[in-house]
Amino acid sequence: QSALTQPASVSGSPGQSITLSCTGTSSDVGAYNFVSWYQQHPGKAPKLMIYDVTNRPSGVSNRFSGSKSGNTASLTISGLQAEDEADYYCSSYTSSSTLVFGGGTKLTVL
Amino acid sequence: QLQLQESGPGLVKPSETLSLTCTVSGGSISSSSYYWGWIRQPPGKGLEWIGSIYYGGSTYYNPSLKSRVSISVDTSNNQFSLRLTSVAAADTAVYYCARVSRYCSTTTCYSKLFDYWGQGTLVTVSS
Repeated sequence: QSALTQPASVSGSPGQSITLSCTGTSSDVGAYNFVSWYQQHPGKAPKLMIYDVTNRPSGVSNRFSGSKSGNTASLTISGLQAEDEADYYCSSYTSSSTLVFGGGTKLTVL
Repeated sequence: QLQLQESGPGLVKPSETLSLTCTVSGGSISSSSYYWGWIRQPPGKGLEWIGSIYYGGSTYYNPSLKSRVSISVDTSNNQFSLRLTSVAAADTAVYYCARVSRYCSTTTCYSKLFDYWGQGTLVTVSS
């Protein structure tokens, strides 16, 4: 199975909004609403930020939001803060009953 | 609070078998609401799903690793384990165990998300 496609890097200034994309196929992102997003700081385990495309777990800031259109899912971070600087990964269930991650996007807060 | 902890050798020789165990505390591994999964991350690279297991024994593997991977569950000790055979330098990575949320419709069950993760353990493949 091929990894979902994410841009390698994205940057933004504090206070701005940025959107990270995650492109799959009609067999994964496009077929199911089981897309999730994870934040990973250096040396730490990933943390769930968004699940089922749009839902936020308890304790995650409402500055984080998710959406999907066709085979592409998106994570939007509004009011960018220095602490948001991290790697972000998307994941999706696939029609082969497997899970697949994106290659990850490094977010830099300028 | 649910906790997961990986354990096992940090150094494995090429061509040998990598074996790791994940111990779950603060909750039962025998829950119909979850699968239990392994994910790895080579140094400086992205996440790769290795596979998942249900407490009843059903397994799901990444097709690229399927010929070398085996995941098992020990409900009496609240643990699940990973075996990866014929390892090479490319298998050097931080290995994470995680809880996988499971959703079932009337006909099919799906893996939705990874909500609890272990801290990860670095396994180096080297002679």
